Amino acid sequence: DVKVTQSSRYLVKRTGEKVFLECVQDMDHENMFWYRQDPGLGLRLIYFSYDVKMKEKGDIPEGYSVSREKKERFSLILESASTNQTSMYLCASSLGGQGAHEQYFGPGTRLTVT
Amino acid sequence: GENVEQHPSTLSVQEGDSAVIKCTYSDSASNYFPWYKQELGKGPQLIIDIRSNVGEKKDQRIAVTLNKTAKHFSLHITETQPEDSAVYFCAAPPGGALIQGAQKLVFGQGTRLTINP
Repeated sequence: DVKVTQSSRYLVKRTGEKVFLECVQDMDHENMFWYRQDPGLGLRLIYFSYDVKMKEKGDIPEGYSVSREKKERFSLILESASTNQTSMYLCASSLGGQGAHEQYFGPGTRLTVT
Repeated sequence: GENVEQHPSTLSVQEGDSAVIKCTYSDSASNYFPWYKQELGKGPQLIIDIRSNVGEKKDQRIAVTLNKTAKHFSLHITETQPEDSAVYFCAAPPGGALIQGAQKLVFGQGTRLTINP
């Protein structure tokens, strides 16, 4: 059974703080993704990674960075948190290789920036 | 880039009735169309998907249909049950979005389905 875990379910941070969201998967997946989920907007891709130390921008990368030092771990970093980054953050992983593969999601981190 | 529109945003049906959620996409090169279900407090989970070489796929009470000419696909749930209450998302990959085996997906806005007993 694939398991994707996220470090926190709920997080409250102040404006200007540096925030780290951690995601770990246990199925040796090559690909990992960070999304944010907002009502009426669905899931929007922030960044994804297809290999260790490799990353690609998604559709809304501004204000975020990522780090993937180990295959199983993908971190999302908010360098200076702002109130418009209050959201639900979802991490996902999938197999690599040709063709489309199911994405397995973690339970999400609800981040509030005050 | 790919644009995915999903309707309706909310849907309420009586237990036992059918529910239909529709999505349209813009990129004619898209070739894979998954549906995800998100229960309260959980992350989305894949429930069914269809590839562009077939027009319909069924799995027990759920089915997905694809019309490539019109660029739309739909999720059909028959004999709905209370456990079908959730938020459903459709998705499509932008054509050519396979980067080193990583398949990007663009998600629809989501549909909150409520099954009334």
